[in-house]
Amino acid sequence: DIQMTQSPSSLSASVGDRVTITCRASQDISTWVAWYQQKSEKAPKSLIYAASSLQSGVPSRFSGSGSGTHFTLTISSLQPEDFATYYCQQYNSYPLTFGGGTKVEIK
Amino acid sequence: EVQLVESGGGLVQPGGSLRLSCAASGFTFSNYLMTWVRQAPGKGLEWVSSISRRSTGTYYADSVKGRFTISRDNSKNTVYLQMNSLRAEDTAVYYCATDTRGDDWGQGTLVTVSS
Repeated sequence: DIQMTQSPSSLSASVGDRVTITCRASQDISTWVAWYQQKSEKAPKSLIYAASSLQSGVPSRFSGSGSGTHFTLTISSLQPEDFATYYCQQYNSYPLTFGGGTKVEIK
Repeated sequence: EVQLVESGGGLVQPGGSLRLSCAASGFTFSNYLMTWVRQAPGKGLEWVSSISRRSTGTYYADSVKGRFTISRDNSKNTVYLQMNSLRAEDTAVYYCATDTRGDDWGQGTLVTVSS
């Protein structure tokens, strides 16, 4: 199974800050990575697919990068509505696996 | 607009069964692989099962293999998850999602396994 190690598990940031979340895969998964945002136990919302492709309607302050085993999600200027938990997921092969999540809190 | 609506959750005793449904609309359902993901209370996301467009391929997490069965009815735009031999650790919100990369998600249905 491919392990997705996400870091940090939580962070505190201020509105306007640049935030970066990292995911490392236990083996090469090319760019088969998605990123999700989840607020208060609501359904996850897809932000990024194929490591760097922005889903329709997602603000451009969100971006994804990486390939192989190292991936990042960046929020260029954190907004109040961005405080949430973020997850990475690999869909290179079954079983599909998620990172442990990063909770972004208000500083 | 894509809509996924899960139903069928509830309280069940250990060893019992439930059948979840996910009704899809707003897209060509038969063109998409479908996936179930669950989230235990206060925990992260866990993939459960996926099914190919024509049901020729089904895939399961080891934690549910042999107990859960995924199926779909493309004429009804619905994907199902039959859950048997339920355990306390199956307690979670169950979401259906499109494809393996989860472009769209339903609102979830809560399954509680408890005596």
